[in-house]
Amino acid sequence: EAGVAQSPRYKIIEKRQSVAFWCNPISGHATLYWYQQILGQGPKLLIQFQNNGVVDDSQLPKDRFSAERLKGVDSTLKIQPAKLEDSAVYLCASSSPGILGYTFGSGTRLTVV
Amino acid sequence: DQQVKQNSPSLSVQEGRISILNCDYTNSMFDYFLWYKKYPAEGPTFLISISSIKDKNEDGRFTVFLNKSAKHLSLHIVPSQPGDSAVYFCAASEGGGSQGNLIFGKGTKLSVKP
Repeated sequence: EAGVAQSPRYKIIEKRQSVAFWCNPISGHATLYWYQQILGQGPKLLIQFQNNGVVDDSQLPKDRFSAERLKGVDSTLKIQPAKLEDSAVYLCASSSPGILGYTFGSGTRLTVV
Repeated sequence: DQQVKQNSPSLSVQEGRISILNCDYTNSMFDYFLWYKKYPAEGPTFLISISSIKDKNEDGRFTVFLNKSAKHLSLHIVPSQPGDSAVYFCAASEGGGSQGNLIFGKGTKLSVKP
């Protein structure tokens, strides 16, 4: 089966600009996650979707970050405006009941200068 | 405050020997634990997991041990192979099994030397 697809792989933007990341989960996986991994840290959950509904967005900085999952398949994560501390790898993952663990995509490395 | 701690940033092991990666946690409500492996420029890959009702789970060369009283788990790799060289993340969840919010440690970089 195809894995979790993410694009772009790399993005460099200036602070205060906006950026968007795209994720296509594994077909049939109802649950989709966005994680942020800052250099030297473990991944941290930003938002979890079940189909197109939000399950957990308690750690999403909602003043600048937004995410949507229209039609319960693809998802986009947006940052507007970006700050220097948003430099990180943004990982998308999907999961399905009965399957152990998530499947992560390769991530998008964001550098804010 | 970190709820999942991997206190060794790196570990170097000779090929064929045992690798032991350690993880400590502070939240007694965690009931499911996972190990992920990550190669450079790739996303983490699920390796093995254990429920809090067990104290050991084995899958081929990989065994995870859980000591609930000490809030400690460890991953044993026997025998270690050069292809095992990667960053290993310990993760824990509270009530969600392997599907919920995972709290990750900072990772341990394992180097297996031929």
